[in-house]
Amino acid sequence: DQQVKQNSPSLSVQEGRISILNCDYTNSMFDYFLWYKKYPAEGPTFLISISSIKDKNEDGRFTVFLNKSAKHLSLHIVPSQPGDSAVYFCAAVNAGKSTFGDGTTLTVKP
Amino acid sequence: DAGVIQSPRHEVTEMGQEVTLRCKPISGHDYLFWYRQTMMRGLELLIYFNNNVPIDDSGMPEDRFSAKMPNASFSTLKIQPSEPRDSAVYFCASSLTGYEQYFGPGTRLTVT
Repeated sequence: DQQVKQNSPSLSVQEGRISILNCDYTNSMFDYFLWYKKYPAEGPTFLISISSIKDKNEDGRFTVFLNKSAKHLSLHIVPSQPGDSAVYFCAAVNAGKSTFGDGTTLTVKP
Repeated sequence: DAGVIQSPRHEVTEMGQEVTLRCKPISGHDYLFWYRQTMMRGLELLIYFNNNVPIDDSGMPEDRFSAKMPNASFSTLKIQPSEPRDSAVYFCASSLTGYEQYFGPGTRLTVT
């Protein structure tokens, strides 16, 4: 039973355009959500987070949206840059435990 | 700060051998997590500690796996005996709040 799903294994966008990465979850007990970015041969790097009491959090080019009724969150990157090319993981937290999605590989083309 | 430090970065061993993975968390972080990443199962939590005490080890696959945190600056994950299906990348992460986690570079384990 996969509680956190990233249904798109990959996404390709043009430099300067918007990248939208999606994540769905099933457990309504999750109270905190995060996005991590991972480059090859490195560990995941924390990117941005959102509490379940909010519906939006913004940090520079990165914005995370949370729709609790749909159990859906998304990460928007505007404008996308070639250096954003990486694997993006969403994670959901309940009682101190993080559950990760399988990741979406983002490729930003110059 | 140097970030989370893991050693070794790569480990190749034969089936049946004992493997010990090491982690030094970021100073001041009270939470430490061990994860395993495989193609089949993705990134899965094995165990996590708070203030050096194991809080949840429900992700530890079986008794062959054990983890310790003797002090705030060091943790080990041990596999004894190792099996080919243990081949994976093992990550250690630390956290100040238990939410945002800071990962080490990982140890790539290959068991032949």
